[in-house]
Amino acid sequence: DTEVTQTPKHLVMGMTNKKSLKCEQHMGHRAMYWYKQKAKKPPELMFVYSYEKLSINESVPSRFSPECPNSSLLNLHLHALQPEDSALYLCASSQVRSTRGDKLQFFGPGTRLTVL
Amino acid sequence: AQSVTQLGSHVSVSEGALVLLRCNYSSSVPPYLFWYVQYPNQGLQLLLKYTSAATLVKGINGFEAEFKKSETSFHLTKPSAHMSDAAEYFCAVDNTGKLIFGQGTTLQVKP
Repeated sequence: DTEVTQTPKHLVMGMTNKKSLKCEQHMGHRAMYWYKQKAKKPPELMFVYSYEKLSINESVPSRFSPECPNSSLLNLHLHALQPEDSALYLCASSQVRSTRGDKLQFFGPGTRLTVL
Repeated sequence: AQSVTQLGSHVSVSEGALVLLRCNYSSSVPPYLFWYVQYPNQGLQLLLKYTSAATLVKGINGFEAEFKKSETSFHLTKPSAHMSDAAEYFCAVDNTGKLIFGQGTTLQVKP
């Protein structure tokens, strides 16, 4: 199994709602990533988990709260989002987190989030 | 610091024509370089990667890229474009464990 899955595929939420995005992989990878991608732009790194511990937080607003309950699962909890947070949220995983760039990241299909 | 520049935000070719998507990188150490493709409303799929084993890298779907250190380039080519190649293409560099993407190039294939 060389797949990263993400649910839901689409999500529409109001600014007062609380929702969660889910990402799952069964490749035995111990590094997992959240990216945000606005239309016609490249993905931007948000968070990195290494061995279920938060390794990198790219100064993301606290209305985004990541969680890694086990080595296969990665969640992104959303609360009090703004319309400008509407984007494609991509999850990725790699064998381990490397500081040299030699570990390939596998991407999921993404969740298309719309904040009204 | 590492960075990637993709020359041309939009490239249009005829079906059967050569595809050339340009990527230049900046890196203080030997880089790991990648080309990803993104079809509409989908995630990123790896086309190919350069990891210093060979300067000419062959990827999926007939794509290949050549690493030229003297030109700090990693251009993506395909001899004959197919309609199904129409997508967004991202070049990326990584030598710190963080993927840095270029701004992307939209490839349009005309019949």
